[in-house]
Amino acid sequence: EPEVTQTPSHQVTQMGQEVILRCVPISNHLYFYWYRQILGQKVEFLVSFYNNEISEKSEIFDDQFSVERPDGSNFTLKIRSTKLEDSAMYFCASSGQGAGEQFFGPGTRLTVL
Amino acid sequence: ILNVEQSPQSLHVQEGDSTNFTCSFPSSNFYALHWYRWETAKSPEALFVMTLNGDEKKKGRISATLNTKEGYSYLYIKGSQPEDSATYLCAFTLNAGNNRKLIWGLGTSLAVNP
Repeated sequence: EPEVTQTPSHQVTQMGQEVILRCVPISNHLYFYWYRQILGQKVEFLVSFYNNEISEKSEIFDDQFSVERPDGSNFTLKIRSTKLEDSAMYFCASSGQGAGEQFFGPGTRLTVL
Repeated sequence: ILNVEQSPQSLHVQEGDSTNFTCSFPSSNFYALHWYRWETAKSPEALFVMTLNGDEKKKGRISATLNTKEGYSYLYIKGSQPEDSATYLCAFTLNAGNNRKLIWGLGTSLAVNP
């Protein structure tokens, strides 16, 4: 059964460093999402991506964040200069239709020291 | 502010008990309600997507209902088993174009004791 994969499963970085979180969505899906969950808080929407551009982004997704689909299979989230408060579980999701079920990867736990 | 509330926050039941959780969401501009099951270190697994008022869906021992007029959904588990232990998350999407970001509740953490 097709599934969304994410790498790495855990990333530890120093404050101010750049990180790239990688996702491979389900191959025929067209809509891609990043969410995150800070420990003990609700899952939060970060950004959605369709047709090679951002379709919506939240207030969290500031200039330090960017997304890219560099090669038609990977979908990456880059944080340019990490802050302590970026520590969270980051989930990638994909969907075949804009309004359809979203399929999630297992997440990347980002720890910023 | 768009807010999704789930209750209870956590629940401990004995194997064989039936249980239910509540999700409440804003009823205006509603498009769909999603239930996910999330076990630690695994991907959140979609259980149900419901869009119509009065929808009822069932998957094995798990079922869900939807009331869009009053803005709530119930998730029922009949005859809980230890493998049902997980966090159950609900999320809703707005009727806003083709972009369907999920707006999440905090989840209900279920522990089923053998």
